[in-house]
Amino acid sequence: KAGVTQTPRYLIKTRGQQVTLSCSPISGHRSVSWYQQTPGQGLQFLFEYFSETQRNKGNFPGRFSGRQFSNSRSEMNVSTLELGDSALYLCASSGKPGSGYEQYFGPGTRLTVT
Amino acid sequence: GESVGLHLPTLSVQEGDNSIINCAYSNSASDYFIWYKQESGKGPQFIIDIRSNMDKRQGQRVTVLLNKTVKHLSLQIAATQPGDSAVYFCAESRGNTPLVFGKGTRLSVIA
Repeated sequence: KAGVTQTPRYLIKTRGQQVTLSCSPISGHRSVSWYQQTPGQGLQFLFEYFSETQRNKGNFPGRFSGRQFSNSRSEMNVSTLELGDSALYLCASSGKPGSGYEQYFGPGTRLTVT
Repeated sequence: GESVGLHLPTLSVQEGDNSIINCAYSNSASDYFIWYKQESGKGPQFIIDIRSNMDKRQGQRVTVLLNKTVKHLSLQIAATQPGDSAVYFCAESRGNTPLVFGKGTRLSVIA
């Protein structure tokens, strides 16, 4: 069974631009969560989607948004990029909604904002 | 406020020895705990999880211990191997709230 895939793996953007990251969950998984990982803040929850509905949202500004498609693939968007948005963005999928179950992570997208 | 943290940021062990990575949590209502391993350039990899109705759970070469009295979680790795070198994260949640991750402990295995 293929794991969670994320594209692109690396991305360099300029301040003020916007970016869209993509995540394909494990086949059959309908829950997708997004996390931001930085050396200073560690892993922080962004949002969770299940069956195309956002179930939970972390404490991030409105510039961070996401969506999920009917095939469970998910995208997250960051608008008006800031230097502090440079991070590893991780996607995780699970067979069930909520955090009380195993989540399987993808390799992440490394975003650098200059 | 609630937090999940690790006592030591780094841990060095000799190959073949047992490793113990500790984690403290402050929310007594947390009912699910999970350990992840993250190698350089990769996403976190699930190791083992435990629910609050258990004190101990074993996997292949790993054991997770949960002490709810002192709100402490530990991961024990038996016969540590060079491939175990990585950053280890504990995470906790309660109900349907999102996972809260600790900062991580870097495990270095000395050959």
